[in-house]
Amino acid sequence: GENVEQHPSTLSVQEGDSAVIKCTYSDSASNYFPWYKQELGKRPQLIIDIRSNVGEKKDQRIAVTLNKTAKHFSLHITETQPEDSAVYFCARGLGGNQFYFGTGTSLTVIP
Amino acid sequence: DVKVTQSSRYLVKRTGEKVFLECVQDMDHENMFWYRQDPGLGLRLIYFSYDVKMKEKGDIPEGYSVSREKKERFSLILESASTNQTSMYLCASSLGAETNEKLFFGSGTQLSVL
Repeated sequence: GENVEQHPSTLSVQEGDSAVIKCTYSDSASNYFPWYKQELGKRPQLIIDIRSNVGEKKDQRIAVTLNKTAKHFSLHITETQPEDSAVYFCARGLGGNQFYFGTGTSLTVIP
Repeated sequence: DVKVTQSSRYLVKRTGEKVFLECVQDMDHENMFWYRQDPGLGLRLIYFSYDVKMKEKGDIPEGYSVSREKKERFSLILESASTNQTSMYLCASSLGAETNEKLFFGSGTQLSVL
């Protein structure tokens, strides 16, 4: 269906450690997978995205991997810093401009 | 930088009132969206519009309507507010030149229906 399952719902890591958030979907027609970050009291902002013809994409400390066969994609944050603390939302798109969002992961980076 | 402005940051209304949430974007974007954000449920699409006077239902349109009379403005209307419509409402826009485009969000309106 339409839902994107996102896990975990909360995640606490020590500063400098890595954080991984995973999302799964069931619609094989999905072809676009963005990640949005929402800091406390602020608006969600796109941090990275991946399209279905790519298996991995990296941008400095952030990477996203996509496994189309297994229908899951993950956000990886390395060398976490306190400013990485936020709620992260995964989403999937079907080729239009509507997206189905996951339920969010609240990440806390402990200094 | 794209600016998406929502007219109210906090709003308190009574059950049965008609409520208008306004959203304006200043970058000539074609697409505009209304989401509601609830803890544990993520962002759910209420309505969207790809053009002036055009509207499409999202995943949870019941109890809501929208209006897009001008390209830059997209209004969400709660015809008769109910307590289960207490939520954070987020407006977003995207350019409209391609598919799978980046969404630019407003700061949100926290609506409480008493």
